Amino acid sequence: DAGITQSPRHKVTETGTPVTLRCHQTENHRYMYWYRQDPGHGLRLIHYSYGVKDTDKGEVSDGYSVSRSKTEDFLLTLESATSSQTSVYFCASTSGDSNQPQHFGDGTRLSIL
Amino acid sequence: QQQVKQSPQSLIVQKGGIPIINCAYENTAFDYFPWYQQFPGKGPALLIAIRPDVSEKKEGRFTISFNKSAKQFSLHIMDSQPGDSATYFCAARGGRGSYIPTFGRGTSLIVHP
Repeated sequence: DAGITQSPRHKVTETGTPVTLRCHQTENHRYMYWYRQDPGHGLRLIHYSYGVKDTDKGEVSDGYSVSRSKTEDFLLTLESATSSQTSVYFCASTSGDSNQPQHFGDGTRLSIL
Repeated sequence: QQQVKQSPQSLIVQKGGIPIINCAYENTAFDYFPWYQQFPGKGPALLIAIRPDVSEKKEGRFTISFNKSAKQFSLHIMDSQPGDSATYFCAARGGRGSYIPTFGRGTSLIVHP
């Protein structure tokens, strides 16, 4: 199974502070994704990457930025956290080959007070 | 616009029952339909997937039924067990070069002993 680790697994912070979440994969997957999961909304795509330094916006990208300087690492940054960004964040990756699904990390639970 | 509609939102069955989760899609370019299973505190993990050139696929107690003309697909869990209690997501992906899957909003399944 694909090795994807997210850090931290839990974080509590205050409104207005910057927050960076890290995703690390060991499968040399080309594509990486950040999602947030909220009750009643399922998984919503924030940003994704199709290669090193190649990223694009998802459906809920406002207030978030990403960076991918290496194949294995994909960072999600909340420049100035707001309470509406309290959520569980999941990273995923895939090779992009047909019939290959996404592989997910175990999430980061972020609480913004 | 929700391109993959999943129902029901929640489902409760007794052990041995056959829960059925349905998904409908709109985009005829979709050509890969995975189902993910998610346990509390964990990320979604691939359960089973199907392509539109087959009408049914079985893996153990899990079966996907696919109706291309109706643009619908469903997950059946035979002889359900309490350990199957989880959230299930359908997804769809497709179109040449498209690696952004669209997810349903999820179904919370509880299997009572």
